[in-house]
Amino acid sequence: AIQMTQSPSSLSASVGDKVTITCRASQDISHDLGWYQKKPGKAPNLLIYGASSLQSGVPSRFSGSGSGTDFTLTINNLQPEDFATYYCLQDYNYPRTFGQGTKVETK
Amino acid sequence: EVQLLESGGGLIQPGGSLTLSCAASGFTFSNFDMTWVRQAPGKGLEWLSVITASGAATYYADSVKGRFTISRDNLGNTVYLHLSSLRAEDTATYYCAKDNDYYDHRSGSYYDANDVWGQGTMVIVSS
Repeated sequence: AIQMTQSPSSLSASVGDKVTITCRASQDISHDLGWYQKKPGKAPNLLIYGASSLQSGVPSRFSGSGSGTDFTLTINNLQPEDFATYYCLQDYNYPRTFGQGTKVETK
Repeated sequence: EVQLLESGGGLIQPGGSLTLSCAASGFTFSNFDMTWVRQAPGKGLEWLSVITASGAATYYADSVKGRFTISRDNLGNTVYLHLSSLRAEDTATYYCAKDNDYYDHRSGSYYDANDVWGQGTMVIVSS
């Protein structure tokens, strides 16, 4: 199975900050990567698909980039509702695999 | 409104079995692959299984292969996950999700992502 490694595992930030989360795949997965936001007690929420395409309804402060093995999720102008845990998920092949998550906490 | 509603979770003894259900509404269920994901307390998301739209193909994570079985009823708009030989480490909230295919006009490529999720159902494996 493809291994997905996210970094950092957690970070502290303030409202208005720019946040960058990275995800590395153990093999080339082209652009087959999505980013999800997860809040406690809530279902995951799709933010980005195809490595860089913004899901409908997701604020434009979220963006994704990368291809091959290295990917980035960027949150510009961090808002209070963005404090959550973020996961990458490869959809290159089965079994799908998530990164271990990055928790964005209040500084 | 597109909606997924899981049910069937509960307290089960180690070694026991349980079947989770996920009822879909608001979309043409038979056109979409369906996925199960779980999150153990204090842990990250774990992809478990997918079943294709027709039900002809299924795939599993190594951690549950041989113990969990995914199935679907396209007439009843429901996907199931049968859990057997349960262990304490299977304690988690289980989510079902709809797989969506996205077409990127710029690249001409298709991408897959889980665009709709249920609220989850909790399974506790304990004696």
